Amino acid sequence: DAKTTQPPSMDCAEGRAANLPCNHSTISGNEYVYWYRQIHSQGPQYIIHGLKNNETNEMASLIITEDRKSSTLILPHATLRDTAVYYCIVSSGGSNYKLTFGKGTLLTVNP
Amino acid sequence: GAVVSQHPSWVICKSGTSVKIECRSLDFQATTMFWYRQFPKQSLMLMATSNEGSKATYEQGVEKDKFLINHASLTLSTLTVTSAHPEDSSFYICSAGGTGREGYNEQFFGPGTRLTVL
Repeated sequence: DAKTTQPPSMDCAEGRAANLPCNHSTISGNEYVYWYRQIHSQGPQYIIHGLKNNETNEMASLIITEDRKSSTLILPHATLRDTAVYYCIVSSGGSNYKLTFGKGTLLTVNP
Repeated sequence: GAVVSQHPSWVICKSGTSVKIECRSLDFQATTMFWYRQFPKQSLMLMATSNEGSKATYEQGVEKDKFLINHASLTLSTLTVTSAHPEDSSFYICSAGGTGREGYNEQFFGPGTRLTVL
């Protein structure tokens, strides 16, 4: 699976949009971009995934560039409970394929 | 989304004893389950992939005789840490993949088990 690069940390003000970037320049055509987050001392939580089209659900939006070499996770109105480590993962195998976690981005939402 | 549970949520044991951790998919069948380990301030590291009815596949560097995995049914996988030592103290997390139910293209993670070996 392709490797991803994320900034180690970001800050965001409560109520504002949080935009988390991810670089995956070696992504191949059949690989999806997945986003998970992990709140301290809990198991990771699925957020969203996409192949090439932008995606939106009740938690977030995922914007994938046309060349698919990077993506941005958008939390439209960040709250204090969104403080977590966010992982961008590239995977080709669906739900039964192993995920390789990088170091992720620690997002801190400030009051 | 689907729910994955783990039991126990935390355990303290003496060095040399064995500890069993259960991972259950509560409302879906999981043909594949994964076991991860996470040390403080580090990311999740995959230990093994567990397939129902067959032997687990271990990642490089993970001792299969020390970390015994059993996936006897489509809703239960167990990880047994045998002869635990203080260096095995960690946060153990399982995840489960669905069996193709519509919308289940992601893995669902359990809440984790904190193991402390004295």
